[in-house]
Amino acid sequence: EAQVTQNPRYLITVTGKKLTVTCSQNMNHEYMSWYRQDPGLGLRQIYYSMNVEVTDKGDVPEGYKVSRKEKRNFPLILESPSPNQTSLYFCASGAGGPAYNEQFFGPGTRLTVL
Amino acid sequence: AQKVTQAQTEISVVEKEDVTLDCVYETRDTTYYLFWYKQPPSGELVFLIRRNSFDEQNEISGRYSWNFQKSTSSFNFTITASQVVDSAVYFCALSEAPGTGFQKLVFGTGTRLLVSP
Repeated sequence: EAQVTQNPRYLITVTGKKLTVTCSQNMNHEYMSWYRQDPGLGLRQIYYSMNVEVTDKGDVPEGYKVSRKEKRNFPLILESPSPNQTSLYFCASGAGGPAYNEQFFGPGTRLTVL
Repeated sequence: AQKVTQAQTEISVVEKEDVTLDCVYETRDTTYYLFWYKQPPSGELVFLIRRNSFDEQNEISGRYSWNFQKSTSSFNFTITASQVVDSAVYFCALSEAPGTGFQKLVFGTGTRLLVSP
């Protein structure tokens, strides 16, 4: 089954404790992206990756890091989480060509930073 | 800059009523894509439709229909004979043309639809 998986689905942590949210897709997509969803703000892009070892900032990259060492994985790293990073996070992947722009979203990770 | 506006924060209807969710977008690109996603209470994002800027035909899928009008930069979504299961947050989104290879989606703030029995 074609899918994007994220782990963990729920996480409660404390300020300053480094964490990683994993994202994996099995569709051989070149493009992957992270979004955060906040009430009244919709979804905003954090980082994206066009392919292995190619990443760039989205609209709200501060406080986040990413890496793309393998095509299927795109982890989101919070080196020193703060309460304002409490949010619902979505990973997405997509392919180029005629199917361009249909992005597949993971189930979401709800993060609470105390 | 690209922008998507969903002015309706929340809409409440009674089952079987028709409801239209508004979406107005801004872009300088001549080629772009528009999307609607549904987010049920369980939280996942469900893809509903993609429309490119060169295709202004309205689309109907069961009880769902979409009205794309470039003249008013709008891409409205209508649910006919709403049902309780339609209760969700609906997001409209805009994406740049594929030539750049860049697939960033710009989302609106969403419209929460509540359908009561």
